[in-house]
Amino acid sequence: QQPVQSPQAVILREGEDAVINCSSSKALYSVHWYRQKHGEAPVFLMILLKGGEQKGHDKISASFNEKKQQSSLYLTASQLSYSGTYFCGTDGYSGSRLTFGEGTQLTVNP
Amino acid sequence: NAGVTQTPKFQVLKTGQSMTLQCAQDMNHNSMYWYRQDPGMGLRLIYYSASEGTTDKGEVPNGYNVSRLNKREFSLRLESAAPSQTSVYFCASSGLAGISYEQYFGPGTRLTVT
Repeated sequence: QQPVQSPQAVILREGEDAVINCSSSKALYSVHWYRQKHGEAPVFLMILLKGGEQKGHDKISASFNEKKQQSSLYLTASQLSYSGTYFCGTDGYSGSRLTFGEGTQLTVNP
Repeated sequence: NAGVTQTPKFQVLKTGQSMTLQCAQDMNHNSMYWYRQDPGMGLRLIYYSASEGTTDKGEVPNGYNVSRLNKREFSLRLESAAPSQTSVYFCASSGLAGISYEQYFGPGTRLTVT
């Protein structure tokens, strides 16, 4: 079953923070986050595994609440390069098949 | 390393025509995937291959067939194209089967069926 992402779209000014949420109705083993710029392929950002720690790199981090079957992506001090559509992908077992959400379109303006 | 490559980049078909989309990866990955992405939508899994010699249906397999030719190559065939198959098709690969690894995507094939 497809995870639900919220919000569907968000517009920021450079330097502002944003949170994107991903929620599933099924128990999850892992959550992946990808970013896709217009006309390009999705690019991997990070993966969170059941029982693992919060992951992050630079000013983008994420958390995974296994009990609530939810994950959140945190973008702090946003940059113009953060613009794009963010997808979460979830899998409900220790396999590599993902089900993707419909995406959150993030626009960062100067 | 080229990563994941796909051919062709663009294709226009008439209803009822057939074609094969090619995908290859040079990262020695075991698992490979075919997705379709419709405008403003997320990625939907068509077929996947957890390892060489195996293939399985995803969410939207109807109208498609796949072949895992060897460890590097995974092709997607449309036997009789329909306008509903107009989409962007992405191939992806990931590490070991059975463990949740990141997926690497190819540049996509933009297919229009008239």
